[in-house]
Amino acid sequence: GQNIDQPTEMTATEGAIVQINCTYQTSGFNGLFWYQQHAGEAPTFLSYNVLDGLEEKGRFSSFLSRSKGYSYLLLKELQMKDSASYLCALDYKLSFGAGTTVTVRA
Amino acid sequence: GAGVSQTPSNKVTEKGKYVELRCDPISGHTALYWYRQSLGQGPEFLIYFQGTGAADDSGLPNDRFFAVRPEGSVSTLKIQRTERGDSAVYLCASSLIDLAGQGLSGANVLTFGAGSRLTVL
Repeated sequence: GQNIDQPTEMTATEGAIVQINCTYQTSGFNGLFWYQQHAGEAPTFLSYNVLDGLEEKGRFSSFLSRSKGYSYLLLKELQMKDSASYLCALDYKLSFGAGTTVTVRA
Repeated sequence: GAGVSQTPSNKVTEKGKYVELRCDPISGHTALYWYRQSLGQGPEFLIYFQGTGAADDSGLPNDRFFAVRPEGSVSTLKIQRTERGDSAVYLCASSLIDLAGQGLSGANVLTFGAGSRLTVL
């Protein structure tokens, strides 16, 4: 089976940096996704990691270590619109974590 | 269509009734997925289709839940004898291709619909 753990909530200040960690256990691995979900809306794709290392996309970066079963999503230069839930998901068996709610304060 | 379309957006029903939720995926997307999301939780996998066939239905909670995709495009999730615990947002997603879950080059990037909120009274 799959088990995905991520913190429930995080709070940060506008302009700051926040790192959302995700640890997982899985019987198979094809890749790891990060999705963003604003309240009352559908999840939208942010990033995808297959190989170890850092993938950078503008203000958002995602890191993967397959040997450690660990990923993080790094949000830089936080904006108020970044307040949302961030979901870690495994490509294998299409499993999602419970999500981390990030609140950005002025 | 331009995006994944789900109808109805909201459905209120009484316990014991039958419900159908419809999903119209992005044109050309061969893989279609159903998830269920409760408040404060991540999406819970129910079933996915590759073409017309259900490639993995291991997430369906019990035999009251059934889904079809007869022509490989539109899909319907059917819930019989609804219970209060079935209340949730039902999300549909589609992706361009699914190589048995191999996730080639991000090919399993899911595009979600806005969801159907089901409330069972």
